[in-house]
Amino acid sequence: DAKTTQPNSMESNEEEPVHLPCNHSTISGTDYIHWYRQLPSQGPEYVIHGLTSNVNNRMASLAIAEDRKSSTLILHRATLRDAAVYYCILRHATSGTYKYIFGTGTRLKVLA
Amino acid sequence: NAGVMQNPRHLVRRRGQEARLRCSPMKGHSHVYWYRQLPEEGLKFMVYLQKENIIDESGMPKERFSAEFPKEGPSILRIQQVVRGDSAAYFCASSPTVDLYEQYFGPGTRLTVT
Repeated sequence: DAKTTQPNSMESNEEEPVHLPCNHSTISGTDYIHWYRQLPSQGPEYVIHGLTSNVNNRMASLAIAEDRKSSTLILHRATLRDAAVYYCILRHATSGTYKYIFGTGTRLKVLA
Repeated sequence: NAGVMQNPRHLVRRRGQEARLRCSPMKGHSHVYWYRQLPEEGLKFMVYLQKENIIDESGMPKERFSAEFPKEGPSILRIQQVVRGDSAAYFCASSPTVDLYEQYFGPGTRLTVT
């Protein structure tokens, strides 16, 4: 299965942009790139996803490299509530269905 | 619309006992996924079920673990003869269709084996 690689932790100041990188050099052509985040003692929640083009939604932006071997999640203005573990995930198609392949995640610390 | 419900939230079992974890998907969702999260690690896929069917169990350990999603009632993840290595957080997620881009996760059940 294709894997994702993320830095273990990052820090950001409040109200500044945050760029969370992810490498997925063995991604296959049909794998979608998803980002979820997990707040302490909670289940993961969806942030954003994409295939080839950059994507924007109310929570974040996703920049995908042209060769798709890496991507970056962009939080435009970090708040204290954004402190969480951010997972870069490949949604892998297999036998007519899909499954998520989670990486180890990046723990984001936001400084007031 | 209530989210994904899991119970119990915390479960303590002695070695050799059975653990039963329940997951009620969101209303209208017929696809359920179970994941296991060991301390300081990411989630690992275990099994994907639709109503009354196991679709993909490639992440399930071959022994002691089983899952079901009956026509009526919650999905159940069952671990027989638990061992200390089974201590983890178990999350379930649901979706209305298989190819929806978003899975909705429950709060998890934290299993501790003593």
